[in-house]
Amino acid sequence: SQKIEQNSEALNIQEGKTATLTCNYTNYSPAYLQWYRQDPGRGPVFLLLIRENEKEKRKERLKVTFDTTLKQSLFHITASQPADSATYLCALEVSGDSWGKLQFGAGTQVVVTP
Amino acid sequence: EPEVTQTPSHQVTQMGQEVILRCVPISNHLYFYWYRQILGQKVEFLVSFYNNEISEKSEIFDDQFSVERPDGSNFTLKIRSTKLEDSAMYFCASSEREGFEAFFGQGTRLTVV
Repeated sequence: SQKIEQNSEALNIQEGKTATLTCNYTNYSPAYLQWYRQDPGRGPVFLLLIRENEKEKRKERLKVTFDTTLKQSLFHITASQPADSATYLCALEVSGDSWGKLQFGAGTQVVVTP
Repeated sequence: EPEVTQTPSHQVTQMGQEVILRCVPISNHLYFYWYRQILGQKVEFLVSFYNNEISEKSEIFDDQFSVERPDGSNFTLKIRSTKLEDSAMYFCASSEREGFEAFFGQGTRLTVV
């Protein structure tokens, strides 16, 4: 099965700066990769989906890149705000393998201080 | 904005009892899932459901688990004879199509005592 690695240490960042999170995977390249936000005691909230033939995707202050050669995705939060403080989860799926089975990373906690 | 709703938000049950966790997926979605998250651990896939049958299930989803879509709106997870290690947050999710984003509910916190 796939091994998914996300920065285990919390990322402490000052308001206004850019937070960059990493998601590395070890085996087969997924058809697409998703990023979610999770607040304590709450369900994951979908943020962005990027497909294997896409290099970059943006949504407002969020940007995700996908490098299938490096087996890596980077997730950027620009102009970060204290409200961005949460755990960010990377999730992979392989089309043809399953109908929507997502394998999640452990997540990276982001703390944005004013 | 449409959302996935789950009930109850918190369930406490005695070991050995049966529980049913309920979910109402987003109405035009065709794919349904259950995931769980043990406190402090990763979100783990349990089962996917499409066209009124299980599409895939994980090793966790053994004979004590079952899923059902009893009508056009509800999607349930039944756990027979609960064990202490079943204590976790259980999330229902749905997606419009395969390869599309999954929308998660707020979860049911199951505590087995």
